[in-house]
Amino acid sequence: DIQMTQSPSLLSASVGDRVTINCKASQNINKYLNWYQQKLGEAPKLLIYNTNNLQTGIPSRFSGSGSGTDYTLTISSLQPEDFGTYFCFQHNSWYTFGAGTKLELK
Amino acid sequence: QVTLKESGPGILQPSHTLSLTCSFSGFSLSTYGMGVSWIRQPSGKGLEWLASIWWNGNTYNNPSLKSRLTVSKDTSNNQAFLKVTSVDTADTATYYCAHTRHTMGITTHFDYWGQGVMVTVSS
Repeated sequence: DIQMTQSPSLLSASVGDRVTINCKASQNINKYLNWYQQKLGEAPKLLIYNTNNLQTGIPSRFSGSGSGTDYTLTISSLQPEDFGTYFCFQHNSWYTFGAGTKLELK
Repeated sequence: QVTLKESGPGILQPSHTLSLTCSFSGFSLSTYGMGVSWIRQPSGKGLEWLASIWWNGNTYNNPSLKSRLTVSKDTSNNQAFLKVTSVDTADTATYYCAHTRHTMGITTHFDYWGQGVMVTVSS
C-alpha cells in the first residue's frame, strides 16, 4: 500500500499569507496526486488533479507542484473562505488519502 | 449539472449488512468514462476510499476491506449501491458517493460529491 504523509497537520495563517501544504508518498506516484478542500460539515471539493491541473471554477491562487514522492499545494494569498481542511490523494496504485492539514485563522 | 445524493439506514446493529444507495443526475453510468466511487469518513477523521464502479461494469474494492464490500449499479434508474457486510463500530462514519470520469486519457477522481450520509453501528 502507498502511504501518504501530509505536513503540517495544523497550520495557522492570516488572510493574505502565502501558504504551502506538503504531501509525501511512500513511493513514486508519477504525479497522480489530487488535492481536496473540506469545510466543516461539507463534502470535500476537488481543487487540483494530477499534481498541477486546476479544477474548473477553482481560483488561480491555488496551485500544485511536485513529482516522484513529494508534492505541494500552495495558496498564494489566503482568503477568508480558504480556511478548512486539505487532503492529498494518490491514484497511482489503488487510492489513498493523506490524513489532512487543518488550516486555521491565526 | 452533476448531483449525487446518498441514502442509507442511519443506524444498524453490529454484524448486520449496511446497504447504501447513491442517486445521481447529470450523467449516466452507461456512458463511456463515467464512474461512481464510495468514500467514508469517521467523525473528525480522514477519508478512506472504499470502492468504485465504472460505466463498463468493472468494479474495484479497497483491498483492506475487499471481501466485505459489494458495489453495483442500476443504470436505468441512475443509481449506484454499496453493501458492507459484517459491520462493527469501526464502520461508523459518514459515507459519500462521488463522481469520477475518464476522458481523453485523463482520470479526474471525485470531481463531484454527494452531501454524505451518516451511518452509526451500535447495539
